[in-house]
Amino acid sequence: ETGVTQSPTHLIKTRGQQVTLRCSSQSGHNTVSWYQQALGQGPQFIFQYYREEENGRGNFPPRFSGLQFPNYSSELNVNALELDDSALYLCASSGGTSGNTYEQYFGPGTRLTVT
Amino acid sequence: AQSVTQPDIHITVSEGASLELRCNYSYGATPYLFWYVQSPGQGLQLLLKYFSGDTLVQGIKGFEAEFKRSQSSFNLRKPSVHWSDAAEYFCAVGAGFNKFYFGSGTKLNVKP
Repeated sequence: ETGVTQSPTHLIKTRGQQVTLRCSSQSGHNTVSWYQQALGQGPQFIFQYYREEENGRGNFPPRFSGLQFPNYSSELNVNALELDDSALYLCASSGGTSGNTYEQYFGPGTRLTVT
Repeated sequence: AQSVTQPDIHITVSEGASLELRCNYSYGATPYLFWYVQSPGQGLQLLLKYFSGDTLVQGIKGFEAEFKRSQSSFNLRKPSVHWSDAAEYFCAVGAGFNKFYFGSGTKLNVKP
């Protein structure tokens, strides 16, 4: 069984730029959720994708957007980067053969630094 | 509004001592409840979950948690802590509309 993978591991961007983060879900899962974890804080829910559609969203502005592909992998896109976007971005997969979309398994994360 | 509170930011216990990490939630219905552990710079590992049924749930690494509806709590326990348990622990709630809320975490230090 392949776990959740994310790429890249680390990324440095300049304020105003755009970034794309990638996530491959665990085999058998069909739902992907994205989280932002600022330093010293708990993860904050950004959004969830199911069957290639956004299926729930937290309190994040529209410049945070995503995609899910037919193989259930996903991308998180952030436009017009701000310094406060510096964080660990976590992807979690769930659902499918595991049966419950709330039972989430996390990838190792992408550390984004905005300068 | 839904929320998860972990009142202890840092906890230090001696190796071999028992451990209890507190978690309280605010949600109108019975939520799905989870505990995750995170080592520095790493992702989150699921320790245990509560969906329904028996209110005492067993997880990996010898952890257990008890759901108390009357107290809106889901505290994590371990009878004997090992040095490798030093990490940050997050309580989480799965609420309606496919949303998921985490507490701010409790950092556990283990003294030799």
